[in-house]
Amino acid sequence: AIQLTQSPSSLSASVGDRVTITCRASQGISSALAWYQQKPGKAPKLLIYDASSLESGVPSRFSGSGSGTDFTLTISSLQPEDFATYYCQQFNNYPLTFGPGTKVDIK
Amino acid sequence: EVQLVESGGGLVQPGGSLRLSCSASGFTFSSYAMHWVRQAPGKGLEYVSAISSNGGSTYYADSVKGRFTISRDNSKNTLYLQMSSLRAEDTAVYYCVKDLWLVGRGAFDIWGQGTMVTVSS
Repeated sequence: AIQLTQSPSSLSASVGDRVTITCRASQGISSALAWYQQKPGKAPKLLIYDASSLESGVPSRFSGSGSGTDFTLTISSLQPEDFATYYCQQFNNYPLTFGPGTKVDIK
Repeated sequence: EVQLVESGGGLVQPGGSLRLSCSASGFTFSSYAMHWVRQAPGKGLEYVSAISSNGGSTYYADSVKGRFTISRDNSKNTLYLQMSSLRAEDTAVYYCVKDLWLVGRGAFDIWGQGTMVTVSS
């Protein structure tokens, strides 16, 4: 199975900060990567698919990049509603796998 | 409104069985692959199972293979997960999720609210 690692595992940031989260795959997955946001007690929400395509309705401050094994999720200017846990997920091969998550909290 | 609503969770003893249901609305259910994803308390997301749009193909994570069965009834717009030989490590919130694409590539654009399954004596 393809393993996904995320860094950092957690970070503290302020409103207005630029935030970057990294996801690394144990083998190449082309651009078959998605990013999700999850708030406590809620279901995850799709933000980005195909590594860099923004899901409909998601604010443009979210962006994704990368291909192969290295990917990033960037929040250009952190907003109060962005404090959450972020997961990457690969869909290049079954079993589909998720990264362990990155928790973004308030500094 | 596109919506997935799970039901059927609850407390079950180790070795027991449970059937989860997921009612879909607001989209052409029969056109999309569907999946189950779970999340143990305080933990990350774990992929469980997939089924193709017509039900002809299924996939199971190794952790549930031989114990769980995914199925669907397109006439009722409903997805199921039959769980048997349940273990404590199956305790989790189970999410029903819709594939983003008709061809079922495996990204998830719609999630249900989740249903909690607790396996304990």
